[in-house]
Amino acid sequence: EPEVTQTPSHQVTQMGQEVILRCVPISNHLYFYWYRQILGQKVEFLVSFYNNEISEKSEIFDDQFSVERPDGSNFTLKIRSTKLEDSAMYFCASSEAQILGYTFGSGTRLTVV
Amino acid sequence: AQKVTQAQTEISVVEKEDVTLDCVYETRDTTYYLFWYKQPPSGELVFLIRRNSFDEQNEISGRYSWNFQKSTSSFNFTITASQVVDSAVYFCALSEAGTGNQFYFGTGTSLTVIP
Repeated sequence: EPEVTQTPSHQVTQMGQEVILRCVPISNHLYFYWYRQILGQKVEFLVSFYNNEISEKSEIFDDQFSVERPDGSNFTLKIRSTKLEDSAMYFCASSEAQILGYTFGSGTRLTVV
Repeated sequence: AQKVTQAQTEISVVEKEDVTLDCVYETRDTTYYLFWYKQPPSGELVFLIRRNSFDEQNEISGRYSWNFQKSTSSFNFTITASQVVDSAVYFCALSEAGTGNQFYFGTGTSLTVIP
């Protein structure tokens, strides 16, 4: 079964550093997403991406965040200057069409120290 | 206001018991979609089911069943004859056609099945 692949599975970074979280969506999917889950809390929407541009973003997704699809396969989330409160599990997801349900990746656990 | 409410924070059951996880949602859209995801201790999100607002037929998949009732805005999930491997956090989620396809997740119900 096709999978969404996220790397790394765990990243530790110092406060103020830039991090790039990587995702390889399922190849025929057209919609891409990032979600965040702070430990023990619910999963929160960050951003959706379609046709090489952001289609929706939440209040969490401020100027510190950016997304990019640098080539035909990767989808990245960049956090410019990490803060302690950015520590969370970050999930990438993709879907073939809207509302068909996402396939989530296994997540990247980001720890900011 | 919460769009998806999972009032049960934690549930513990003994193996082989049946357990129902509650989900209540709120939306003004006539077209919407409801989902259940399982998050085992390893952390990934595993898709279980998708339901659209026009299909109130209940669904059964093995030991899992879902009861969708628009009249009470509920989409409850029952596990029959629970097993230890069912221990996980279960999330209910809503997506509204009118506001793009952003998912609104509930706060999750942590299920522990005791052997």
